[in-house]
Amino acid sequence: AQKVTQAQTEISVVEKEDVTLDCVYETRDTTYYLFWYKQPPSGELVFLIRRNSFDEQNEISGRYSWNFQKSTSSFNFTITASQVVDSAVYFCALSEARNTDKLIFGTGTRLQVFP
Amino acid sequence: ETGVTQTPRHLVMGMTNKKSLKCEQHLGHNAMYWYKQSAKKPLELMFVYSLEERVENNSVPSRFSPECPNSSHLFLHLHTLQPEDSALYLCASSQDRGGTYNEQFFGPGTRLTVL
Repeated sequence: AQKVTQAQTEISVVEKEDVTLDCVYETRDTTYYLFWYKQPPSGELVFLIRRNSFDEQNEISGRYSWNFQKSTSSFNFTITASQVVDSAVYFCALSEARNTDKLIFGTGTRLQVFP
Repeated sequence: ETGVTQTPRHLVMGMTNKKSLKCEQHLGHNAMYWYKQSAKKPLELMFVYSLEERVENNSVPSRFSPECPNSSHLFLHLHTLQPEDSALYLCASSQDRGGTYNEQFFGPGTRLTVL
């Protein structure tokens, strides 16, 4: 069965702290895709990254970095030197090659960054 | 207008009302989606349309009726809803359905309250 687990419901940090959001996934497919989306208070989900199952290279984009580990079925997201504007709900999602229409989302992690 | 827009942003309706949610995408995409986001639950995919044809219906009750008159517009017609249907309804689009690159671009959502 496919499933995405984001065990952290809420995280609070103070500006400039680093924070890691955890994501663990389950799938029986060998080909799949992992995503992170950000949902600010305005409501729309903003696409952050897509990673396919054959590419385990970690990725860095500015203050954002992602650590994909197939051995532990995890796709964690780290924000370095957090800022107040990073406050949002972050969703990890999975889609399988046999049905890439369907994004399977986790329940999200609410991040609050305080000044 | 750019991206994906949704109207109305907020809707309050009684259980006997009939209303419609509208989504419009300005990205030239061929696939559109409806999602339901309830509190403390993962986003649930409701419907997928590709080139105006419904390709997936995830066991959604018949009181939700989608319509896709063209690839830029998607509607969700609502009738005789229940209070548990209160949620944020998100529309999304992607270049095409399936395939490797299927990042979905989301609208801001319609916050629906059923009294």
